[in-house]
Amino acid sequence: NAGVTQTPKFQVLKTGQSMTLQCAQDMNHNSMYWYRQDPGMGLRLIYYSASEGTTDKGEVPNGYNVSRLNKREFSLRLESAAPSQTSVYFCASSARAGNQPQHFGDGTRLSIL
Amino acid sequence: DQQVKQNSPSLSVQEGRISILNCDYTNSMFDYFLWYKKYPAEGPTFLISISSIKDKNEDGRFTVFLNKSAKHLSLHIVPSQPGDSAVYFCAALSANFGNEKLTFGTGTRLTIIP
Repeated sequence: NAGVTQTPKFQVLKTGQSMTLQCAQDMNHNSMYWYRQDPGMGLRLIYYSASEGTTDKGEVPNGYNVSRLNKREFSLRLESAAPSQTSVYFCASSARAGNQPQHFGDGTRLSIL
Repeated sequence: DQQVKQNSPSLSVQEGRISILNCDYTNSMFDYFLWYKKYPAEGPTFLISISSIKDKNEDGRFTVFLNKSAKHLSLHIVPSQPGDSAVYFCAALSANFGNEKLTFGTGTRLTIIP
């Protein structure tokens, strides 16, 4: 009963390094999302994929890229990490985009030094 | 521009009493609202939702009320239990206007006092 699985759970990077955050869901959901959560700011959408083969920008896409590898997997890449990208990153999925509840992973805590 | 606002960062309630969490929004295009609950070191978990065609939705101990004219919704938890201690996020989207993206509030930390 895994749901949404994110790897890694924790990571420390140096400024300028690159990294890919992995996300996989086993609920046969069509839509997947990446959020970041910063203190006092709630969750903000970085990118989402309404269906396999499509990706769209969210509220805060700058500095990130995504790949919807297949229906199960949606990865988030930081090409050149900056201290402002220190955050907790959550992946989510839903049966379809719109008024369907999203199911979240447990997050990746990322620190950029 | 915070389109979904939770103005109370924290709330403490005695066990067994009612907990009321509030949320205000500014975008009149929002037509679907959700509440999520989050424990430390875990992802948010969906609790309950409401469409703008309704003014109330109930699920066990949880009831969400929507006042469209005031652009206000609230989550009532009755009776409150220690396991309800968590951060609660309100979220909204415009399903009928093609905006499939959730906008979250900043959260309210609820503490249930035994």
